[in-house]
Amino acid sequence: QKEVEQNSGPLSVPEGAIASLNCTYSDQGSQSFFWYRQYSGKSPELIMFIYSNGDKEDGRFTAQLNKASQYVSLLIRDSQPSDSATYLCAVRDYGGSQGNLIFGKGTKLSVKP
Amino acid sequence: GAGVSQSPSNKVTEKGKDVELRCDPISGHTALYWYRQSLGQGLEFLIYFQGNSAPDKSGLPSDRFSAERTGGSVSTLTIQRTQQEDSAVYLCASGVAGPSEQYFGPGTRLTVT
Repeated sequence: QKEVEQNSGPLSVPEGAIASLNCTYSDQGSQSFFWYRQYSGKSPELIMFIYSNGDKEDGRFTAQLNKASQYVSLLIRDSQPSDSATYLCAVRDYGGSQGNLIFGKGTKLSVKP
Repeated sequence: GAGVSQSPSNKVTEKGKDVELRCDPISGHTALYWYRQSLGQGLEFLIYFQGNSAPDKSGLPSDRFSAERTGGSVSTLTIQRTQQEDSAVYLCASGVAGPSEQYFGPGTRLTVT
């Protein structure tokens, strides 16, 4: 059973701080990793994707991937109250024939003004 | 450009009735995915289409569930003889073929009474 694990939270950070969201995955063969943001009552919105070891930066967001440790993280700098949402980590499943995403259950982030 | 669209946005049905959910992917996206998200749960993969073909239907939770895609575009997910445990948000996502990101539609909230 391939799994993606996330701390459910809630993770509470003050406005302007760095929020660090973590995710581990079980399938060593995984190649593609995604972070989605989901506001309450809304559908997931893609924030970042990362395929190579190391860091990938996009504005206030940085995704970090360590395939040896089977670990992917998302850093949000200068956190804003509008960043308050559930963050879903997803790993593309290449073990089957479909390339669908396997999702973690998400970490709820709360940014306090 | 236009994103993934889904209809209806909400559907309330009586136990035992059949329902059809529709997904219209982003133009040019050949890959189409159906997921469902139950309250407080993660996203569960249901089925994948590459073009009009669904190579593997093993993600569908029971034989009451079926899906089709015509013209490499619109897809319908049909649930026959609905049960209360079918109540969930049904999400459709589309993407280009290969190890690429997926973009979600707004979802259909299904409530079976």
